[in-house]
Amino acid sequence: GESVGLHLPTLSVQEGDNSIINCAYSNSASDYFIWYKQESGKGPQFIIDIRSNMDKRQGQRVTVLLNKTVKHLSLQIAATQPGDSAVYFCAEVEIYSNYQLIWGAGTKLIIKP
Amino acid sequence: NAGVTQTPKFRVLKTGQSMTLLCAQDMNHEYMYWYRQDPGMGLRLIHYSVGEGTTAKGEVPDGYNVSRLKKQNFLLGLESAAPSQTSVYFCASSGQRGEQYFGPGTRLTVT
Repeated sequence: GESVGLHLPTLSVQEGDNSIINCAYSNSASDYFIWYKQESGKGPQFIIDIRSNMDKRQGQRVTVLLNKTVKHLSLQIAATQPGDSAVYFCAEVEIYSNYQLIWGAGTKLIIKP
Repeated sequence: NAGVTQTPKFRVLKTGQSMTLLCAQDMNHEYMYWYRQDPGMGLRLIHYSVGEGTTAKGEVPDGYNVSRLKKQNFLLGLESAAPSQTSVYFCASSGQRGEQYFGPGTRLTVT
């Protein structure tokens, strides 16, 4: 079936630097995408989403970019903090399949002091 | 407003035993989902429900059953547990937008 995957399984970033987490997707018909953050021992937590008619969306310290031409999604975290350490998942929302999420495998973000 | 809650948080079963995981949400969401997550992996959809009284199969439904008798509750049952069902189970709910809210998870070990 369709899949959403991530380029890097682990990303190490110096505290205070910006982090960029990438995601590739294959279903060009998808309507929108979500980034989730999962801390150790907890359930996924919504970070930000973006609809397919947008190229960029900003939140608090986070920005999501969508490039439909190459089916690529990225999450940028500004001024990375220790509390940002987590696994980040991108997910594709299939609106015509009862809002099922198609999940990537995840990228583990490690913050170096 | 508790969001999504799951009980129990931890459980150990022997092969062949049965159990039921309970998920409850207080956000009046129509959609509810059960996922499993194996170590180092993403989430895989087991079953889901689009409303009270309805259920549907997800990606990995074998060995599990579900029921949605009340809108706020979604139950996941294992009739005869197997070691391959050792995993962390997450429940989620969502409204029309599709943004899913997750519970804290249930860690199940089958020996």
